[in-house]
Amino acid sequence: ETGVTQSPTHLIKTRGQQVTLRCSSQSGHNTVSWYQQALGQGPQFIFQYYREEENGRGNFPPRFSGLQFPNYSSELNVNALELDDSALYLCASSLDTGIGELFFGEGSRLTVL
Amino acid sequence: KQEVTQIPAALSVPEGENLVLNCSFTDSAIYNLQWFRQDPGKGLTSLLLIQSSQREQTSGRLNASLDKSSGRSTLYIAASQPGDSATYLCAASGSARQLTFGSGTQLTVLP
Repeated sequence: ETGVTQSPTHLIKTRGQQVTLRCSSQSGHNTVSWYQQALGQGPQFIFQYYREEENGRGNFPPRFSGLQFPNYSSELNVNALELDDSALYLCASSLDTGIGELFFGEGSRLTVL
Repeated sequence: KQEVTQIPAALSVPEGENLVLNCSFTDSAIYNLQWFRQDPGKGLTSLLLIQSSQREQTSGRLNASLDKSSGRSTLYIAASQPGDSATYLCAASGSARQLTFGSGTQLTVLP
């Protein structure tokens, strides 16, 4: 077990709604990254937060946004949900931003109807 | 833009067999390469991390190698067991502070 916890584990939303996913990073880790994994695919990088600032972003539209809190926990917010947003959302924590090992949580499975 | 490819997409072997999973990447300017295991519907479990200056890493029955010049990494699993059945993902870490993943190899070890 990595010590990275995510909530909720499963949720169902309808198109156009908004969702917030939460992540508690491993103790001592100051960097959180979020990934989206569609069924049968590898995870795709959404963004990374380091010390409460966005520190890199993948090819995702602005309706994907995030926050990191002083205790290094993090939220992923998705507005105006689309059917293609249905995926497993994975949070990963690491010590610092660059070259260290990433530790992943169990993910939040989002279904958009 | 980094691209990571894993071949084969699926592999089925009898228990006890040694096997090799392949990973290739297009940009050799990586910080490290990481191998993960994913069970159905679950998150990722880190197996091995190879820094760019290293050639291989070993953990138990697993051995991962890295050849930056050819853009390749392999994961060797010795004496496979049914409990090894899972999807194995490789990911390259580059200057953009993100991991670029392959689509994975789904491994089934038959009793």
